[in-house]
Amino acid sequence: GAGVSQSPRYKVAKRGQDVALRCDPISGHVSLFWYQQALGQGPEFLTYFQNEAQLDKSGLPSDRFFAERPEGSVSTLKIQRTQQEDSAVYLCASSLGLAEGTQYFGPGTRLLVL
Amino acid sequence: AQKVTQAQTEISVVEKEDVTLDCVYETRDTTYYLFWYKQPPSGELVFLIRRNSFDEQNEISGRYSWNFQKSTSSFNFTITASQVVDSAVYFCALPAGGGTSYGKLTFGQGTILTVHP
Repeated sequence: GAGVSQSPRYKVAKRGQDVALRCDPISGHVSLFWYQQALGQGPEFLTYFQNEAQLDKSGLPSDRFFAERPEGSVSTLKIQRTQQEDSAVYLCASSLGLAEGTQYFGPGTRLLVL
Repeated sequence: AQKVTQAQTEISVVEKEDVTLDCVYETRDTTYYLFWYKQPPSGELVFLIRRNSFDEQNEISGRYSWNFQKSTSSFNFTITASQVVDSAVYFCALPAGGGTSYGKLTFGQGTILTVHP
């Protein structure tokens, strides 16, 4: 597709369930980012991939959060044993490379943990 | 550390009014980029502009214009003759710097713009 796509768009989980959020970046984009956006706030960085390598995961809030990009394209953000404080919009962005810098965002996945 | 401040939480205007959204940033980098994104009610962040700190020329794109002033660390965004479709949350953002940066963005809190007909 032409832009970044994410699925599912909405996810309701019971506390304690595991969830997996998918991101399809723009074709050919080397860099992929995950951000978390709480209601009424700006997005906050979670993790970064350059191709298949996860170069920065400093923003992941706990070891329940795990991200992968095994073939350097599609990425999955997994949250284990979800908690209510995990409720947020999870945004994925991709960019052509380091020098380019412009990140193009997907529509996000809105996660609600009950 | 990078910091972006958007002091205006909410702005409400009537259609056709001009409106300016403020952005002040902090960085130790000598060269850097700055970004503005728009987030309409649909939720997707839409890229509006990227500016290099080398270039302090004001930029105009249709009804949008940007005023970058390095001396005051500000990168303000003006919408001329606002329209209802401009209603959205607007974010200013600054990539991480430091030479080996890969550009992870630090966002401001956002300004909610409501344009009334």
